[in-house]
Amino acid sequence: ETGVTQSPTHLIKTRGQQVTLRCSSQSGHNTVSWYQQALGQGPQFIFQYYREEENGRGNFPPRFSGLQFPNYSSELNVNALELDDSALYLCASSGGPGTGTIEQYFGPGTRLTVT
Amino acid sequence: AQSVTQLDSHVSVSEGTPVLLRCNYSSSYSPSLFWYVQHPNKGLQLLLKYTSAATLVKGINGFEAEFKKSETSFHLTKPSAHMSDAAEYFCVVGENFNKFYFGSGTKLNVKP
Repeated sequence: ETGVTQSPTHLIKTRGQQVTLRCSSQSGHNTVSWYQQALGQGPQFIFQYYREEENGRGNFPPRFSGLQFPNYSSELNVNALELDDSALYLCASSGGPGTGTIEQYFGPGTRLTVT
Repeated sequence: AQSVTQLDSHVSVSEGTPVLLRCNYSSSYSPSLFWYVQHPNKGLQLLLKYTSAATLVKGINGFEAEFKKSETSFHLTKPSAHMSDAAEYFCVVGENFNKFYFGSGTKLNVKP
């Protein structure tokens, strides 16, 4: 059974640029959630995708957007990067509604630095 | 709206002594509650979960937590700390299974 994987591991971008982060869900999971973890803080929920549709969203502006693909992998896109977007971005997969397995399994994260 | 408060940002215990990490939540629904652990430079690992079954939940590595609705608490305990328990611990409340709110974390230090 393959766990949650994320790419890239590290990324450095300039303010105003756009970035795409990628996540492959754990085998058998159809739900992916994305989180932002700033240094010294707990993860903040960005949004969740279930069966290729956005299924819940936290308090993040529209420049944070996502996609989920038929194989349940997912992308997080951030436009017009700001310095405060520097953080560890975590992806988590879960079994999804109706499966009885709501707990989330996390990937190792992508460290984004905006300069 | 859901929220989670972890009452201690740092906890320090001696090896072999009990661990208590405190978590209070607010929820408009019957919550699902979780504890995760994050070791330095490693991913978040699920310790245990509560989803309206038994109020005393046992997890991995000897950890357990008790759901107390009247106190809106979900404290994490372990009878005897081990050096390998040193890490950051997060309490999480789930809303409708599609939104999850993390506490600010408690860093556990274990002294030899």
